[in-house]
Amino acid sequence: SQTIHQWPATLVQPVGSPLSLECTVEGTSNPNLYWYRQAAGRGLQLLFYSVGIGQISSEVPQNLSASRPQDRQFILSSKKLLLSDSGFYLCALHRNLYEQYFGPGTRLTVT
Amino acid sequence: DQQVKQNSPSLSVQEGRISILNCDYTNSMFDYFLWYKKYPAEGPTFLISISSIKDKNEDGRFTVFLNKSAKHLSLHIVPSQPGDSAVYFCAAAPPPARQLTFGSGTQLTVLP
Repeated sequence: SQTIHQWPATLVQPVGSPLSLECTVEGTSNPNLYWYRQAAGRGLQLLFYSVGIGQISSEVPQNLSASRPQDRQFILSSKKLLLSDSGFYLCALHRNLYEQYFGPGTRLTVT
Repeated sequence: DQQVKQNSPSLSVQEGRISILNCDYTNSMFDYFLWYKKYPAEGPTFLISISSIKDKNEDGRFTVFLNKSAKHLSLHIVPSQPGDSAVYFCAAAPPPARQLTFGSGTQLTVLP
């Protein structure tokens, strides 16, 4: 069965600091992978998606970036965090038809 | 421009009664719709889906209804249980893309 690991589970970072969130998946190969953010009181906003190694599409222009160095690894990064980057970050993979399977998430607080 | 809207941020229902969560969409290209359930500090979990060729899909206590002419879907939970208390997101996708557009969510609270 498919499993998504997200690391770290929680993170508190000062404004202006860098960010690296990691997502790794098991039980599947060449998955479509997604990064979402849920800001406080808001829905799920698609940030990036990837259909393969080195292939990244950005949905929302912002100070975040994503990379896919390996088939089952998806990384979300920032060089300088903003207060507005606080939120719950979710990695997901495409499962079947249109269903997406979500990981446990990372809670990021920018102070 | 929100293409998927959940206009009720919260809903409270007594245990055993019916919960009805609503979702509206504007993009007529959407042809597949999903509902997800999310507990705090966890990722959303898939609940039920419906294709635009159907107007109803049922799975146990959960039923999703689709009204294409009104661009409206609803999720019915009968009977509601305290464990159903969570945020419910509706999502939609156009063919052949696999990207989902999510609504803002509705917090359901089932009171014992």
